Amino acid sequence: EIVLTQSPATLSLSPGDRATLSCRASQSVSSNLAWYQQKCGQAPRLLIYDASNRATGIPARFSGSGSGTDFTLTISSLEPEDFAVYYCQQRSSWITFGQGTRLEIK
Amino acid sequence: EVQLLESGGGLVQPGGSLRLSCAASGFSFSTYAMSWVRQAPGKGLEWVSGISGSGGSTYYADSVKGRFTISRDSSKNTLFLQMSSLRVEDTAIYYCAKAASGSPKGKYYFDYWGQGTLVTVSS
Repeated sequence: EIVLTQSPATLSLSPGDRATLSCRASQSVSSNLAWYQQKCGQAPRLLIYDASNRATGIPARFSGSGSGTDFTLTISSLEPEDFAVYYCQQRSSWITFGQGTRLEIK
Repeated sequence: EVQLLESGGGLVQPGGSLRLSCAASGFSFSTYAMSWVRQAPGKGLEWVSGISGSGGSTYYADSVKGRFTISRDSSKNTLFLQMSSLRVEDTAIYYCAKAASGSPKGKYYFDYWGQGTLVTVSS
């Protein structure tokens, strides 16, 4: 099973800051990686697929990068609605999710 | 507009059974693979099971293999998860999720999710 490790567990930032979230895979997943946002009490929402492609309707401030084992989700300038939990997911070998990064208001 | 509406959750004793349903609308149901993903209280996401658009291929996480069965009825645009031999650790919100376009067999991203149904396994 491919294990995805996200860091940091919690990120405390202010609106307008730049956020950088990391996801590391236990073995190469090529570009088979997605990012999701989940707000409290809501279902997850697909943000990024194939490591760097924005899903439909996702604002340009969200971007993804990386390949192989190291991936990054960047939010260029945080809006109040961006504070949530973010998960990475790989589909290279079965399907697994990272444990999540909580993005909280500082 | 794509909509996924889960139902069938509830309280069940360890060793019991439960059947979840997910009513889909707003897209060509038989064209897309579907999955169930669960989330234990306060925890992260865990993929549980997936099924191809035709229903001919099914996939399971090791944690539920042999206990859960996924199926679909394209005449009713409905996805099912039959759960048996339930354990306390199966307690979670169960989400129905639609596979994104272009997903290879068994290898999905999920572009639409339902709001989930809570399954509680407790004596």
